[in-house]
This record gives sequence, structure tokens and C-alpha cells, in this order.
Amino acid sequence: GNSVTQMEGPVTLSEEAFLTINCTYTATGYPSLFWYVQYPGEGLQLLLKATKADDKGSNKGFEATYRKETTSFHLEKGSVQVSDSAVYFCALSETGGGNKLTFGTGTQLKVEL
Amino acid sequence: NAGVTQTPKFRILKIGQSMTLQCTQDMNHNYMYWYRQDPGMGLKLIYYSVGAGITDKGEVPNGYNVSRSTTEDFPLRLELAAPSQTSVYFCASSYSSNSNQPQHFGDGTRLSIL
Repeated sequence: GNSVTQMEGPVTLSEEAFLTINCTYTATGYPSLFWYVQYPGEGLQLLLKATKADDKGSNKGFEATYRKETTSFHLEKGSVQVSDSAVYFCALSETGGGNKLTFGTGTQLKVEL
Repeated sequence: NAGVTQTPKFRILKIGQSMTLQCTQDMNHNYMYWYRQDPGMGLKLIYYSVGAGITDKGEVPNGYNVSRSTTEDFPLRLELAAPSQTSVYFCASSYSSNSNQPQHFGDGTRLSIL
């Protein structure tokens, strides 16, 4: 079956630090890959996505590249802000799978001044 | 823009009680989903629906039931609440079954069963 593995948190960074959250996946087909973000007390929001190998998704300074050879979709941001503090979820949706999402366990990020 | 609306936001139940978690969306999406989020476990799919009158089981359906009488509404029912169902429940919707379509989530219902 499909699975998503994320680095465990919590991750604590100083403002303006570089962020990497690792995500690897296992899928039988050719999935679409997503990063969702969950701010405290809220539901999940789409942060970015990539739908085929070598695609780069980007939004709000965050980036992730779909690497088929390493089955990875690592999230990066060059300079984090306090407002980026949230839980980040990596997820996949398999082609022909009815758009059902398989999620990683989530990584909590805390950014301090 | 309302998007996906879930009610209630919080609820405490006693073991054996029943309740319905409400979910409605105003985006005319055919596809709707229910997930539960347990600490450190990510989100697990409970049930999903591809349109009015059509529902199917997800990864963790035991102890739950759903119905889809309209495009807008997708309620989740717990018939006999058990402590293992203490969780945060999220409803989501998407425009199509295409794997590249993002899902839109509600703000969740935090349910405690004592």
C-alpha cells in the first residue's frame, strides 16, 4: 500500500533560519504529492503541490521538488518567520485512486525570535 | 467564502452515546471525505463519497456510518461511542477525483469520549 514518512518534530528554529522538512513516500503508481499546513485551531490548508517527477511546487517562499529517483518531496524555505509556526503534513494521492490522500504523521515547526 | 463548515467544534460524549458530526460545503464539490487525526498519527480516511447517494469505506471505517443525501452535506455518525474514537475529525471536499486536485478542509471537530 501507499505510505508517507516525514521527519519527526518538533522542529524549533530561530527567525530567518533555513528550513528543511524531509518527506519520502512509497506508492505503487505515479502519485501527486502535496504539502498541507495546519495552523493552531484550524483545518489543513494546501501549501503546495507537484503532480509529476521533477516538478517543483512553490508558495509563500516554500518549495518542494518531486524526486522520483529518491521517492522524496522535501519541504524547504530559505528564511522562516514566526508566522510559519504550524504543523506541516506531507501527503500523496495516487492516480486513479479517487483522490484519497495518504498523510504523513506531520511535523510541528516552532519559529522563535 | 464559507468553504467547508463543520459543527460542532467541540463535544464530550459518554461511552455508548451516539452523535452526528455535521459537514457541509458550498463549493458544489462532488467528492467529500472524513478523516480522523490522532496525536502523532497523521490523518486517516474514515469514509468518502463521490457524489450524492454514493459512499465508500476508507482505511478506518469501523464504528462509523455516513450518508450523502445531497451534494452539500456529508454527516458522520457514531452509533456507540467508544474511548478509541476520541480524536479530531476533519471533513474535506474536492472538485474531482483527479489525483492532482487539492482537498479543502473544515476546521475540525474535537471529540472526547469519557
